Amino acid sequence: ILNVEQSPQSLHVQEGDSTNFTCSFPSSNFYALHWYRWETAKSPEALFVMTLNGDEKKKGRISATLNTKEGYSYLYIKGSQPEDSATYLCAWNSGYSTLTFGKGTMLLVSP
Amino acid sequence: NAGVTQTPKFRVLKTGQSMTLLCAQDMNHEYMYWYRQDPGMGLRLIHYSVGEGTTAKGEVPDGYNVSRLKKQNFLLGLESAAPSQTSVYFCASSIPGLAVNTQYFGPGTRLTVL
Repeated sequence: ILNVEQSPQSLHVQEGDSTNFTCSFPSSNFYALHWYRWETAKSPEALFVMTLNGDEKKKGRISATLNTKEGYSYLYIKGSQPEDSATYLCAWNSGYSTLTFGKGTMLLVSP
Repeated sequence: NAGVTQTPKFRVLKTGQSMTLLCAQDMNHEYMYWYRQDPGMGLRLIHYSVGEGTTAKGEVPDGYNVSRLKKQNFLLGLESAAPSQTSVYFCASSIPGLAVNTQYFGPGTRLTVL
């Protein structure tokens, strides 16, 4: 099984801080990289999907970048707010019908 | 449009009992998936289906069976529940190729096996 690694495992920041996390995935057989946001007691919701090397996606204060040649993606949150507290999952799609999920980065933003 | 729904939301079983979890989607998605979520383990794929009448094993299929008799439903069965199957179970669905297989998740079923 090819692994998807996320770091850090957890992060605690203050409101207003900017932060970023990393997702590492196999650079071979790359088809797409997904980011999901997962709030406690809810289900994961899709944030971004990226397919091309150098892709950048943005939704409000959250953005993501992709490097398929070296096998990593960064998720950035600018000016974190308490409502950003969640677990952020990345998932690697190698072109088959399934996604391989990382274990996630748990973000806690304190007021 | 309800999206992906799961029944039941909570269940407590005794070791050795059997049960079936139901996942239903109204988005006409071709692919459906069952995951389990355990602390520190992330989402692990149990079984999945790429179409009505087809199923395939995922990463952790032992102790589970599935069926996809109708396109909109995907059933997960536990034949003889064990405490190791205590977990939160998530169902998901997707359209092949659309948004590169972005998966849409149900609300989860919390199962405790005593």
